[in-house]
Amino acid sequence: GQQLNQSPQSMFIQEGEDVSMNCTSSSIFNTWLWYKQDPGEGPVLLIALYKAGELTSNGRLTAQFGITRKDSFLNISASIPSDVGIYFCAGRVSSNTGKLIFGQGTTLQVKP
Amino acid sequence: EAGVVQSPRYKIIEKKQPVAFWCNPISGHNTLYWYLQNLGQGPELLIRYENEEAVDDSQLPKDRFSAERLKGVDSTLKIQPAELGDSAVYLCASSSGLNTDTQYFGPGTRLTVL
Repeated sequence: GQQLNQSPQSMFIQEGEDVSMNCTSSSIFNTWLWYKQDPGEGPVLLIALYKAGELTSNGRLTAQFGITRKDSFLNISASIPSDVGIYFCAGRVSSNTGKLIFGQGTTLQVKP
Repeated sequence: EAGVVQSPRYKIIEKKQPVAFWCNPISGHNTLYWYLQNLGQGPELLIRYENEEAVDDSQLPKDRFSAERLKGVDSTLKIQPAELGDSAVYLCASSSGLNTDTQYFGPGTRLTVL
């Protein structure tokens, strides 16, 4: 079945540093999404991407939809302690099913 | 506005026992999803409802799992009998339409099967 490979699996950084994580797939997706999950909570949508090459920002977060439609990255600038959590990418193949395929997640730890 | 509500938040049962999870979606959301999330993994779709109709249940293990959304609002996911490997977080999400990307997730039910 379709799979998303997300990397790195975990990151431990100093407060103020920039962070980059990415997702790749063997399949083409027409939508890429990035979610954040805090402990004991459900995932919360951060950024949605709809077009190949699209670059979208949400505050200190920036995400891009890869030109090949098989990859996406998420950058976090000037990290702060509340950025701690698990970040998931998710892709959607067909716009008429709504089905999302999630990556395995990147666990981010920020040292104050 | 209230978010997606799930109960219970935690459940511990012995194997072979039945268990049920309840979800109340955001008011007005006609699409409801049940996901399974294993430790260290992303959510995996189990079933999707459009109103009261299950339109995608291809990933639901039908020998022991069942779900219903009788009036197109609340939904219940049941496992009978539970197995050790069913220990996971069960997430419910809702959205206002097929093509919207904003699936709002509930906090999940953490199931432990002993």
